[in-house]
Amino acid sequence: QVQLVQSGAEVRKSGASVKLSCKASGYTFTSYYMHWVRQAPGQGLQWMGIINPSGGSTTYEQKFQGRVTMTWDTSTSTVYLELSSLSSEDTAVYYCTIVAAGLYYFNYWGQGTLVTVSS
Amino acid sequence: QSALTQPRSVSGSPGQSVTISCTGTSSDVGGYNYVSWYQQHPGKAPKLMIYDVSKRPSGVPDRFSGSKSGNTASLSISGLQAEDEADYFCCSYAGNYRRVFGGGTKLTVL
Repeated sequence: QVQLVQSGAEVRKSGASVKLSCKASGYTFTSYYMHWVRQAPGQGLQWMGIINPSGGSTTYEQKFQGRVTMTWDTSTSTVYLELSSLSSEDTAVYYCTIVAAGLYYFNYWGQGTLVTVSS
Repeated sequence: QSALTQPRSVSGSPGQSVTISCTGTSSDVGGYNYVSWYQQHPGKAPKLMIYDVSKRPSGVPDRFSGSKSGNTASLSISGLQAEDEADYFCCSYAGNYRRVFGGGTKLTVL
């Protein structure tokens, strides 16, 4: 069965960076696009960007341009999200979620990773 | 990209019906038939309830239905049950691989 297993909770100081991982299994890694979505405490979902593990092309939400980097490792079927220059506004649960090529909905989600940014 | 507009909260009694709206623009909701809806219980990951405006994944009760008119999509839930109490989010394709979510609606079953 499809599984997306995310790395554990992180605590960072303002100005620092964080790198999260999402390990995929149960499907052909390069056949699904990986998206990252975050949710601040008590808030809605916010789309951050997408990476195509077949080739590594990325598209980021404009709000995060210059601060976000999505990478992948086909050998371990893992996608990474790195976010720099953290502020308290980046405190959120970060989810990875996949979309099959040609489709437009998120059918599988990771369990989420809580990132807490303190000053 | 601005978030899609949803009501902050809706409520209904068991057995009743509710509708949650999701308003965007011609660049997202109105421009594509790729609106999806997600249910989220506290502390859990979102769960797909409706995709491509009105299609239901297997396992989702037919009490849940979706529609769209112009720049506004809607999720309707009939025969409300206690377990339907959750947050609901809409999401639309916005071109060039981008997605935009709604702010979320808290459904309370009275």
